[in-house]
Amino acid sequence: GAGVSQSPSNKVTEKGKDVELRCDPISGHTALYWYRQSLGQGLEFLIYFQGNSAPDKSGLPSDRFSAERTGGSVSTLTIQRTQQEDSAVYLCASIGTGGRGYTFGSGTRLTVV
Amino acid sequence: AQSVTQLDSHVSVSEGTPVLLRCNYSSSYSPSLFWYVQHPNKGLQLLLKYTSAATLVKGINGFEAEFKKSETSFHLTKPSAHMSDAAEYFCVVSDAGGTSYGKLTFGQGTILTVHP
Repeated sequence: GAGVSQSPSNKVTEKGKDVELRCDPISGHTALYWYRQSLGQGLEFLIYFQGNSAPDKSGLPSDRFSAERTGGSVSTLTIQRTQQEDSAVYLCASIGTGGRGYTFGSGTRLTVV
Repeated sequence: AQSVTQLDSHVSVSEGTPVLLRCNYSSSYSPSLFWYVQHPNKGLQLLLKYTSAATLVKGINGFEAEFKKSETSFHLTKPSAHMSDAAEYFCVVSDAGGTSYGKLTFGQGTILTVHP
């Protein structure tokens, strides 16, 4: 597609439930990042996929968070047993060649009640 | 380790007056630096980037930023603010230079308000 697509755009879930957030990067982009933006905070790095290399998971805040990227394209971020502090906007970004920088999706706003 | 400090959480200007959004960084490497803008309910949009070429970088919508290594600064400026510039702005540093992009570290953001 023309841009990075994220779904759903909004998600309200009950504490303790699992959620899945999806990211469709720009076709052909080999690198994909997940970030989150909590209220009043800057963007926080979560995880980075680059081609077939092992992902950089150093930003995941706990073992309740996991992500996968299937076929080098679509990525899913899963949060198990959600907590209220998980409420944030989760942003996906992809990058290709040509030095144009990252392209961000519009994000998924997650609210845990 | 790298970090970014945006010195003002809020900046308010009148339409037609200059804009200055301040950013200081620290990095162990020759950094790449970016400014992103986020309008309400929109995704992040790249304004401009510095990757060890010219120190004065021109971006979209009339914005520019100057990389000053001696001051470890990368302030964003615009000569004349427009109402449509009202948004949140993020200064970002990457630990990889050139055209390879590493992990990004974001500043806390500066909310720009433009008054008529």
